[in-house]
Amino acid sequence: GESVGLHLPTLSVQEGDNSIINCAYSNSASDYFIWYKQESGKGPQFIIDIRSNMDKRQGQRVTVLLNKTVKHLSLQIAATQPGDSAVYFCAENFLTGNAGGTSYGKLTFGQGTILTVHP
Amino acid sequence: ETGVTQSPTHLIKTRGQQVTLRCSSQSGHNTVSWYQQALGQGPQFIFQYYREEENGRGNFPPRFSGLQFPNYSSELNVNALELDDSALYLCASGPGLANEQYFGPGTRLTVT
Repeated sequence: GESVGLHLPTLSVQEGDNSIINCAYSNSASDYFIWYKQESGKGPQFIIDIRSNMDKRQGQRVTVLLNKTVKHLSLQIAATQPGDSAVYFCAENFLTGNAGGTSYGKLTFGQGTILTVHP
Repeated sequence: ETGVTQSPTHLIKTRGQQVTLRCSSQSGHNTVSWYQQALGQGPQFIFQYYREEENGRGNFPPRFSGLQFPNYSSELNVNALELDDSALYLCASGPGLANEQYFGPGTRLTVT
């Protein structure tokens, strides 16, 4: 079955360092990948996404890299700040057909990486 | 903030009871998905509603059911609650079937 997993469950960095969070996925049919940030007591917050026809996408202080050959996704955070401390999830989204003839997008999440930023 | 709201924030129920959780979608979004997040885990897809009909379902039993209303708000109903149903229940809305989903803050359900 499909699954999305993370290589590192925890990551501890110093403020100002760059952080890299990695993710492996197994469903080669996934066409869309998303990184979410979840702070304690809150719902997942959308950070950045990337389509399967791309290999890199940049946002504000964040970059997502997609390597379809090895089914690997990474999130790079530049100049990490204490406010970046949270659990980070990668998720894959692929359209699944249903009996009604339409399709639905189902997000499959990994377990998450805990990022701790020390001042 | 995403504009997706959920109620209640916290809820305590007894095993065997029934519960209804509510979600208000972000303006302009017509797709609502529900997820269950156990402690220390990633969210698990329960089902998705699109145009007031269930449009897809994950590996959850029929006692998990839902509704979507004309204003695209949604309810998640769980019957015959079990201890393992204790989790954070997340609602996510999106502008279509294959696009990004934006999450609400969740409802923390505890079953005793």
